[in-house]
Amino acid sequence: DAGVTQSPTHLIKTRGQQVTLRCSPKSGHDTVSWYQQALGQGPQFIFQYYEEEERQRGNFPDRFSGHQFPNYSSELNVNALLLGDSALYLCASSLYKIGGSAQHFGDGTRLSIL
Amino acid sequence: GNSVTQMEGPVTLSEEAFLTINCTYTATGYPSLFWYVQYPGEGLQLLLKATKADDKGSNKGFEATYRKETTSFHLEKGSVQVSDSAVYFCALSRGGAQKLVFGQGTRLTINP
Repeated sequence: DAGVTQSPTHLIKTRGQQVTLRCSPKSGHDTVSWYQQALGQGPQFIFQYYEEEERQRGNFPDRFSGHQFPNYSSELNVNALLLGDSALYLCASSLYKIGGSAQHFGDGTRLSIL
Repeated sequence: GNSVTQMEGPVTLSEEAFLTINCTYTATGYPSLFWYVQYPGEGLQLLLKATKADDKGSNKGFEATYRKETTSFHLEKGSVQVSDSAVYFCALSRGGAQKLVFGQGTRLTINP
């Protein structure tokens, strides 16, 4: 049973560029959430997708956008990269309608902005 | 708004010592509570959870009890091992697939 998989594992970009990160949820899950984890901090919620729509959004600017595909996989796009966007980006999957359902995390994509 | 406060680290213990990592929360209603663990270079792994007051979550020797009267969910283990060295995160959600709100994390180091 495959868990949550993310690609790529590491990425280096320069300021002003755009980046796309990818996530495949755990088998049987229908909801994908994205988190940003700065060094030494707890993860911060970016947004969540279910049924190919953004359902919740955290306090992140519009430069952060996403998409969910019919097979439940998801992408996170970040435009006009800033130095402060350097972080570990985590994808988590879960079941939308199960109360108390835990989110399962991938190993993340480490994004470095030069 | 909802928030989680964890005991500040880092925490350093000797093998076989007793572990407590404190976690308190602020939330309306009855959130679900979680402990996640992060090993170096990896994502977060769910350690245990509790979904209602007085529930006890347990896994791999770790335990935490959902205390609504003190809004706490402290993590405990009776005898830690070197392999328990990691960063531990307390988190809450408002149920269903609601977003997780994390504490700042507590780095635990166990010396042999």
